Amino acid sequence: AQSVTQPDIHITVSEGASLELRCNYSYGATPYLFWYVQSPGQGLQLLLKYFSGDTLVQGIKGFEAEFKRSQSSFNLRKPSVHWSDAAEYFCAVAPSGNTGKLIFGQGTTLQVKP
Amino acid sequence: DAGVTQSPTHLIKTRGQQVTLRCSPKSGHDTVSWYQQALGQGPQFIFQYYEEEERQRGNFPDRFSGHQFPNYSSELNVNALLLGDSALYLCASSLAQDGGNTIYFGEGSWLTVV
Repeated sequence: AQSVTQPDIHITVSEGASLELRCNYSYGATPYLFWYVQSPGQGLQLLLKYFSGDTLVQGIKGFEAEFKRSQSSFNLRKPSVHWSDAAEYFCAVAPSGNTGKLIFGQGTTLQVKP
Repeated sequence: DAGVTQSPTHLIKTRGQQVTLRCSPKSGHDTVSWYQQALGQGPQFIFQYYEEEERQRGNFPDRFSGHQFPNYSSELNVNALLLGDSALYLCASSLAQDGGNTIYFGEGSWLTVV
């Protein structure tokens, strides 16, 4: 069965420090891959997505993610974190060509220290 | 251009009651998916509607049902509410013609069952 694992439930970084959020997936073929951000009491906002092509994907708010097929990973990175980045981050996968059914990880809560 | 809108934003129901949640997709979108997000968890796919029919369904009991109207808006109905149905219910819309490449989420409806 398809699954997504976000190993880090909670991460704390200092403002200005770099960030990497981990995501591993289990799927037979190369799926579509997504990162979403959710602020408290809000819906989900798409940060970036990977369907095919260049394995380094640029997103909004200065985020990027790298697809590594050999490691079944799609880690999210940001070189310098801002206090406003504090939120819940979700990695999600979908079967290629079928984005209607996203499978989400459990999420990683990011706390930013001043 | 309005995004995905959901109503109501918050509601409280008693065990055994029934609830209806509503979703208007982003303008131009024809596919609506529903997700349940329990506290501290990632969203879980309930079902997807396209052309007024349920196209895909997640692992949810028949107490969860839905409908899509000719204007693409959708309703999620939950019968015989259980305490465990307390969650944030998210609606997502997409366009089938582009393979659902871009998915927009609403801000959700918070359901509390007491």
